[in-house]
Amino acid sequence: SQQGEEDPQALSIQEGENATMNCSYKTSINNLQWYRQNSGRGLVHLILIRSNEREKHSGRLRVTLDTSKKSSSLLITASRAADTASYFCATDGMDSSYKLIFGSGTRLLVRP
Amino acid sequence: NAGVTQTPKFQVLKTGQSMTLQCAQDMNHNSMYWYRQDPGMGLRLIYYSASEGTTDKGEVPNGYNVSRLNKREFSLRLESAAPSQTSVYFCASSVGAGYGYTFGSGTRLTVV
Repeated sequence: SQQGEEDPQALSIQEGENATMNCSYKTSINNLQWYRQNSGRGLVHLILIRSNEREKHSGRLRVTLDTSKKSSSLLITASRAADTASYFCATDGMDSSYKLIFGSGTRLLVRP
Repeated sequence: NAGVTQTPKFQVLKTGQSMTLQCAQDMNHNSMYWYRQDPGMGLRLIYYSASEGTTDKGEVPNGYNVSRLNKREFSLRLESAAPSQTSVYFCASSVGAGYGYTFGSGTRLTVV
């Protein structure tokens, strides 16, 4: 089945720096979503970008989508210790937008 | 608003026992989902319900059954638990296809 794969698997940065995470997927999609998961908690929806969009912003988050390369990136600017979490991309499929398939995630550590 | 509520939060089962995981949402969402998350991995879709009265298999349905009891509730049943079903189970809901998901806080299940 199609799947988003995040890169890197783990990322450690200093507070105030920017964090960039990448996601690649295999087949055509209708939309791609990013989620955050704090340790031991459920996932929280961050942003959704549709296949006809190239860039989207939400606060300190910027998401880009390149459908020709089947890839997306999530940029967190001016990171804070509270941004420490795992970040997952998720893609639907052209056959069914109801089924979101998640990647294995990027673990982000923001050092104070 | 409570959002998505899962019960129980923790459960230990013996191999061969059965149990039902409960999920309820109060956001009038049409679609509901069950995922499992194993250590260091992303989420895998078990079953989903696009709308009240319908259910469909996801990536890993074997060993599970579901019931969409009404628009609010979507339960997951393990008929004969196996150690391989030790995992954290997340329920989620959404308005429908092409929208973000709201997740519950999870059920941590151990099968011994």
